[in-house]
Amino acid sequence: DAGITQSPRHKVTETGTPVTLRCHQTENHRYMYWYRQDPGHGLRLIHYSYGVKDTDKGEVSDGYSVSRSKTEDFLLTLESATSSQTSVYFCAISESTGVPYEQYFGPGTRLTVT
Amino acid sequence: GDSVTQMEGPVTLSEEAFLTINCTYTATGYPSLFWYVQYPGEGLQLLLKATKADDKGSNKGFEATYRKETTSFHLEKGSVQVSDSAVYFCALAGGEKLVFGKGTKLTVNP
Repeated sequence: DAGITQSPRHKVTETGTPVTLRCHQTENHRYMYWYRQDPGHGLRLIHYSYGVKDTDKGEVSDGYSVSRSKTEDFLLTLESATSSQTSVYFCAISESTGVPYEQYFGPGTRLTVT
Repeated sequence: GDSVTQMEGPVTLSEEAFLTINCTYTATGYPSLFWYVQYPGEGLQLLLKATKADDKGSNKGFEATYRKETTSFHLEKGSVQVSDSAVYFCALAGGEKLVFGKGTKLTVNP
């Protein structure tokens, strides 16, 4: 299994509070991704990173920010959580060599915003 | 832009039945194609992959063939088990990002 961990695994927070989710990898892969999974929507890309300090938006980036100061860590921040951000969040990693962009996923973080 | 369309579920089968989950794609160039599986409460796991036309990916009794002429990558298994109950996602590599289908939930009854 790819070495990807996510923390916390479960979190309940109140509307308006900031929340940071962490993804940590031990594979030294260049690319890291944050997705959200919601019923009826499948997986949707929030943000991704193609290197330290290099990030780009995905299809549902509003209300989210990311940072990557080290190869192994990719942080997702909800500046002011809303109930619509209740979801399961997955981190993934990939490389551009081998089978390009084949992604490996973390176990997920279930976030509930009350 | 690139897109993936897979058959909507849910799909319910009896143990030892034959499984097909259809997946078609729209893309420029020749993307790599993937099937991922998600068991309840877990993240996505790569099930199989194919990187060029006519490639057949296989794993755990599942197979899928990259058909360029029909832009398809259908998932098949000859005899499903209760343990195959999960959600299956078809995906293509559109550059550095994956494009996913919406997923097909499979339930296998004993």
